[in-house]
Amino acid sequence: AQSVTQPDIHITVSEGASLELRCNYSYGATPYLFWYVQSPGQGLQLLLKYFSGDTLVQGIKGFEAEFKRSQSSFNLRKPSVHWSDAAEYFCAVGLRRGGGNKLTFGTGTQLKVEL
Amino acid sequence: NAGVTQTPKFRILKIGQSMTLQCTQDMNHNYMYWYRQDPGMGLKLIYYSVGAGITDKGEVPNGYNVSRSTTEDFPLRLELAAPSQTSVYFCASAGDEETQYFGPGTRLLVL
Repeated sequence: AQSVTQPDIHITVSEGASLELRCNYSYGATPYLFWYVQSPGQGLQLLLKYFSGDTLVQGIKGFEAEFKRSQSSFNLRKPSVHWSDAAEYFCAVGLRRGGGNKLTFGTGTQLKVEL
Repeated sequence: NAGVTQTPKFRILKIGQSMTLQCTQDMNHNYMYWYRQDPGMGLKLIYYSVGAGITDKGEVPNGYNVSRSTTEDFPLRLELAAPSQTSVYFCASAGDEETQYFGPGTRLLVL
């Protein structure tokens, strides 16, 4: 069965600093990878996704992620963090492409932004 | 455009009581999902549906039931509430493309 590991439970960065959130997955086939963000009291919003092709994918709100097959990783990055980026971030792996995609989520990384 | 709506937002149940969590989407999506989120954990799939009349179990289905009589609605039923079902419940829907759209969640406390 597939699994997702987000090794950092909490991360604190200063506003304007760069950010990298780690995600490692375990899956026997080609993974379909996602990053979601959850603001307090809200549902999840998709930041970006990777299925195939260019291993560097761009998402909303200035986020990007890089798929590295050799490291089984899909780390999320942002060059300059804004205070509004404070939220919880979830990495997820999907079994297949398409709307019937059942997702396995990591445990999340809580991001705090210091002003 | 409402997207995915969930009711209620918050509910307290006594052990052994039953309730239905409502989920409605207005995007004409075929695929719908129920997840639960426990503190410090990621979301776990309870049940999902690939279309009206078709449902299947996810990772943690015990203690829950679902039905899908229409494309729009996907209610989640708890028959005998237990403290272990204290959680935040999220409904999501997806069309043929890959993105799952999530509702705002229902916070359930079982005492």
